[in-house]
Amino acid sequence: EAQVTQNPRYLITVTGKKLTVTCSQNMNHEYMSWYRQDPGLGLRQIYYSMNVEVTDKGDVPEGYKVSRKEKRNFPLILESPSPNQTSLYFCASSLRGVHDVQYFGPGTRLTVT
Amino acid sequence: AQKVTQAQTEISVVEKEDVTLDCVYETRDTTYYLFWYKQPPSGELVFLIRRNSFDEQNEISGRYSWNFQKSTSSFNFTITASQVVDSAVYFCALDNNDYKLSFGAGTTVTVRA
Repeated sequence: EAQVTQNPRYLITVTGKKLTVTCSQNMNHEYMSWYRQDPGLGLRQIYYSMNVEVTDKGDVPEGYKVSRKEKRNFPLILESPSPNQTSLYFCASSLRGVHDVQYFGPGTRLTVT
Repeated sequence: AQKVTQAQTEISVVEKEDVTLDCVYETRDTTYYLFWYKQPPSGELVFLIRRNSFDEQNEISGRYSWNFQKSTSSFNFTITASQVVDSAVYFCALDNNDYKLSFGAGTTVTVRA
């Protein structure tokens, strides 16, 4: 089944404790991205990747890191999480770019206390 | 700066009423893509429609229809004869060739039986 998977689905952590949210797609898509969803703000793009080893900042990259060492994986790293990063996170992938239909993962609910 | 505006925060209707969701976008490009995504209460994000800036032909698909007007920078979405299953958050999104996707804040639609 073609899909985007994210892990974990739910995470409660404390300020400053490094964490990684994994994202994997099995559709051989070139473009992958991360979004955060907050009430009243919709989805905001954190980082995106056009292909392996090519990543760039989205609109809200502060406090996040990403890597794209393999085509299928695009982990989101929070080196020192803070309470303002409490949010719902979505990973997405598409065939070539942002003009293609985005396939979203199920979301990761992160709470930083 | 937000490039997509969904002025309606919430809409509540009774089943079988029509619902129109407004989306106004801002771009300097002549080539761009517009999208609508749906997020039902279960939380996943589901693609509904994509339009490119050269295709102003409006479309009807079952109970859904879209009205794209470049002159007013609007890409509105109508649900005809709404059903309870249409209850969801609906997002409008814009790709304007900067490799990033901008979402509106979303409109929550509640359809009451």
